[in-house]
Amino acid sequence: SQQGEEDPQALSIQEGENATMNCSYKTSINNLQWYRQNSGRGLVHLILIRSNEREKHSGRLRVTLDTSKKSSSLLITASRAADTASYFCATAHILTGGGNKLTFGTGTQLKVEL
Amino acid sequence: DGGITQSPKYLFRKEGQNVTLSCEQNLNHDAMYWYRQDPGQGLRLIYYSQIVNDFQKGDIAEGYSVSREKKESFPLTVTSAQKNPTAFYLCASSTTGGRQPQHFGDGTRLSIL
Repeated sequence: SQQGEEDPQALSIQEGENATMNCSYKTSINNLQWYRQNSGRGLVHLILIRSNEREKHSGRLRVTLDTSKKSSSLLITASRAADTASYFCATAHILTGGGNKLTFGTGTQLKVEL
Repeated sequence: DGGITQSPKYLFRKEGQNVTLSCEQNLNHDAMYWYRQDPGQGLRLIYYSQIVNDFQKGDIAEGYSVSREKKESFPLTVTSAQKNPTAFYLCASSTTGGRQPQHFGDGTRLSIL
């Protein structure tokens, strides 16, 4: 089952603008992760935020987490054409024995135009 | 460079056939995972393995089987019992220590002839 729902489903912006994607989920989590997927390729991990964290930064990425609202947002600042991709949030539960069980949202398709 | 290799990139199956998708990693990761992705959808977990010779069903295991005879390898067989096998299949791996990201291969696209 899909844990997360992402909003918007698609987003088109001009290069240099900021892009914000939102993710809502249903159950309690250990951590939440964001991934990027270029067309026809595998997923690339972007950032992980723990359930006791509220905000995290990595380069041009800023992630927030509100566990009371069961929601997260990903902000990409000063977007570039190379940021064009699909972005997925994934809620994580630690598995007994190690590793995470990830449950993915439906994704946001971002298009950055020159 | 360390990474995950999936092969083949494209695979075609006839009705009633079993097909096996390969996944190999040289990241020395203990945990490996198989996901299915349908158009416009997120990923759904098929099977995962945390240690050699052990694996667990994910959310959509029916019609699939796996083995984990070596740490580096986690092949997925799509059996004839899987009635809607056309999808993009992704393999991933991770360490088992705490909160860790997963590393993905570039996928195998399976189609029915």
